[in-house]
Amino acid sequence: NAGVTQTPKFRVLKTGQSMTLLCAQDMNHEYMYWYRQDPGMGLRLIHYSVGEGTTAKGEVPDGYNVSRLKKQNFLLGLESAAPSQTSVYFCASRRPGQAYNEQFFGPGTRLTVL
Amino acid sequence: GEDVEQSLFLSVREGDSSVINCTYTDSSSTYLYWYKQEPGAGLQLLTYIFSNMDMKQDQRLTVLLNKKDKHLSLRIADTQTGDSAIYFCAEVSGNTPLVFGKGTRLSVIA
Repeated sequence: NAGVTQTPKFRVLKTGQSMTLLCAQDMNHEYMYWYRQDPGMGLRLIHYSVGEGTTAKGEVPDGYNVSRLKKQNFLLGLESAAPSQTSVYFCASRRPGQAYNEQFFGPGTRLTVL
Repeated sequence: GEDVEQSLFLSVREGDSSVINCTYTDSSSTYLYWYKQEPGAGLQLLTYIFSNMDMKQDQRLTVLLNKKDKHLSLRIADTQTGDSAIYFCAEVSGNTPLVFGKGTRLSVIA
């Protein structure tokens, strides 16, 4: 199993450009998440999904859109990139349920917006 | 909303014990976690504790939970240079998204 993979690993954008980050998991997990990590801010939840075709806003959703057309994929879109969106983006997934279920993280995408 | 707080930095000498502390506000937390992030990598689960436990030990790691004070700690015995990383405390209640602290950067001095 590859676990959680993210594409691309690095990207540089100019202000106003758009891009899509792809997250894929092969563990058949229902729940998927997008976080951004900034120095001193920890991990902040952008959007998440509890199943195919469903998405929800997290703590910092503005400027981002997401789609979950297939269970294994969770896409994060930036329609018009801004320098404030320079960050490291992490995707994660886990199985739902009341019992303990580990949340698995991808390796991250480092995005710079000039 | 719910909040998880932890100190940002900790520096210890190789061979000493490290203690990383965390406080949380959600009284309905069911599981509390410690994740480790090495440079340039994603987060990996280090250990976890169920909310009805006081302590969990796993080799060099000891997790202590004081549910009354909503305080969680991670003790790393015989700290090694390979333990240098950022450690995140997180809590979850049911199927809600995990709430993470800002992370504690542990530096181990040889």
